[in-house]
Amino acid sequence: ETGVTQTPRHLVMGMTNKKSLKCEQHLGHNAMYWYKQSAKKPLELMFVYNFKEQTENNSVPSRFSPECPNSSHLFLHLHTLQPEDSALYLCASSQGGGDRLETQYFGPGTRLLVL
Amino acid sequence: DAKTTQPPSMDCAEGRAANLPCNHSTISGNEYVYWYRQIHSQGPQYIIHGLKNNETNEMASLIITEDRKSSTLILPHATLRDTAVYYCIVRVEGIAYDKVIFGPGTSLSVIP
Repeated sequence: ETGVTQTPRHLVMGMTNKKSLKCEQHLGHNAMYWYKQSAKKPLELMFVYNFKEQTENNSVPSRFSPECPNSSHLFLHLHTLQPEDSALYLCASSQGGGDRLETQYFGPGTRLLVL
Repeated sequence: DAKTTQPPSMDCAEGRAANLPCNHSTISGNEYVYWYRQIHSQGPQYIIHGLKNNETNEMASLIITEDRKSSTLILPHATLRDTAVYYCIVRVEGIAYDKVIFGPGTSLSVIP
């Protein structure tokens, strides 16, 4: 138990559906992240939020739309996804950046299958 | 791109020490070496990190060479639950956030 929770843990959706992934951290951190992990590929950073402000968008298609209403919650809204978007989506949080020796704590992930 | 190279896979006998190497020849003076691991279908788990001195915690030891171009993660008594993908990461310092770039890692199999 890392203090980062994600729901749902598994999701199956059609290409025309709209769904949302939720992440919540109970660690008092101020930075939150979305990662994508496709089969047999390294983790890919998607989005970074620091103090609710998006500081990184790693060339992610617009069919993925993040939302960070506060420092404890992060959403990933999904619409008109493609089968190749099927992957494990991981959320992480950390205390901040710069020179601090913080580490990222990861949630268990949401396994997404797009049909 | 990841700034580290690791062997794609390794085996280790249960109860023996697992030594996982990592090369980071282009590391900068203020960059740290971090190790994470990912057990199948779970989120990555932080293990240990260091700058230039050797480090030890309850999970593992980290040995960094004097020139800092390589390091070794040591699991002193590997168990079956240590079977996972181990990621060696050089921490890129961003502005007000921690940008971590993962490479393919080393898949460690602990064998009974």
